Amino acid sequence: QVQMQESGPGLVKPSQTLSLTCSVSGDSVSSDSHHWNWFRQPAGKGLEWIGRIHISGSTNYNPSLKRRVTVSLDTSKNQFSLKLSSMTAADTAVYFCARSNVLQSYGLDVWGQGTTVTVSS
Amino acid sequence: ENVLTQSPDTLSLSPGEGATISCRASQSVLINYLAWYQQKPGQAPRLLIYGVSSRATGIPDRFSGSGSGTDFTLSINRLEPEDSAVYFCQQFGSSPLFTFGPGTKVEI
Repeated sequence: QVQMQESGPGLVKPSQTLSLTCSVSGDSVSSDSHHWNWFRQPAGKGLEWIGRIHISGSTNYNPSLKRRVTVSLDTSKNQFSLKLSSMTAADTAVYFCARSNVLQSYGLDVWGQGTTVTVSS
Repeated sequence: ENVLTQSPDTLSLSPGEGATISCRASQSVLINYLAWYQQKPGQAPRLLIYGVSSRATGIPDRFSGSGSGTDFTLSINRLEPEDSAVYFCQQFGSSPLFTFGPGTKVEI
């Protein structure tokens, strides 16, 4: 059974950079059939895609966040990571990692449980 | 951006009844890359339907999806109390790559 787990600080100061990691078990981040994604969801609001990475090295980012986002892959640890710079209160949200499956029309078939990130001084 | 809208905002139904949720896209969805998710409070979304009408692993056949182009529907037959959740649609392909509908709350 594939499982994903986010980890990182729950509290970030304004202007700082958020660093989150998603640990994957039961699957390899080197899989050619999957992309590894980050999403976020402010309290009571909808989901927003942040970015994704594939083992080929290809990355894609949400244009609204592109200048502040980096997604990277660590195959030795079977993890992928998110860095989001210049954090503001508007970035306060639950952050999720999720796998998109090429073989299922890019459906997001496995999700982490989510981690709450609050931006406050 | 391919904006997704959903209707209704809320559905209040009784066990055993059926639910129909609509999702409309502002642009035609690429190659039918349209999915549906269920999200319960404090939980991550759960994939129900991908590719418009294919059920994800472990999803009962009470859940079905249909549609094409810009208009899509999620149907839930024989509602059970555990179906109480927010349901939202999602498209893949237009920039940004993933966008989601605002969600429909189903109360049983």
